[in-house]
Amino acid sequence: AQSVTQPDIHITVSEGASLELRCNYSYGATPYLFWYVQSPGQGLQLLLKYFSGDTLVQGIKGFEAEFKRSQSSFNLRKPSVHWSDAAEYFCAVGGATNKLIFGTGTLLAVQP
Amino acid sequence: KAGVTQTPRYLIKTRGQQVTLSCSPISGHRSVSWYQQTPGQGLQFLFEYFSETQRNKGNFPGRFSGRQFSNSRSEMNVSTLELGDSALYLCASSLAEGGTSYEQYFGPGTRLTVT
Repeated sequence: AQSVTQPDIHITVSEGASLELRCNYSYGATPYLFWYVQSPGQGLQLLLKYFSGDTLVQGIKGFEAEFKRSQSSFNLRKPSVHWSDAAEYFCAVGGATNKLIFGTGTLLAVQP
Repeated sequence: KAGVTQTPRYLIKTRGQQVTLSCSPISGHRSVSWYQQTPGQGLQFLFEYFSETQRNKGNFPGRFSGRQFSNSRSEMNVSTLELGDSALYLCASSLAEGGTSYEQYFGPGTRLTVT
């Protein structure tokens, strides 16, 4: 079955610290992978995507993610977190269709 | 370019009523997808329309339906509302000409509350 797992429901980091949000997927074909961010009361904003090629992808707001096929993972990273990064982050997988399967999300809190 | 717009932003309905939500995609995008977001079930795919045809469908009852117009605007309808239909309904538009996954751009959502 196709699925996305985000094992961390809630993460708290200090401002300026590094961040890694985990994402594991299960998909029978070549996966297309996405990270979205959602601020309270807002829709989803696309941070970055992986379709093929270089397994390290850069996104907006200083985020990057690395695709590791052997581990079925697509973890999101940021070297230095800002208070404005506090939000909920969703990993998603797609492929042969335009239907996205989302993980349950990771809520990020940033301490001053 | 203007982003994805959804109307209305907030809606309160009573059980048994029906509701219609509207979505205008980014100019030039012909694919519109709808998702339901709830605290319990998370983000779930409802359906996708492309060039006025439903191209993909999620696992929702027939009470949930949609359509797309020639200008790519889309509407979704929920009939015989139930309390469990209370959710944030998100619309996303994308190019997705070939049918495979493409980056989707989301609107702000319509918050539906069923009482």
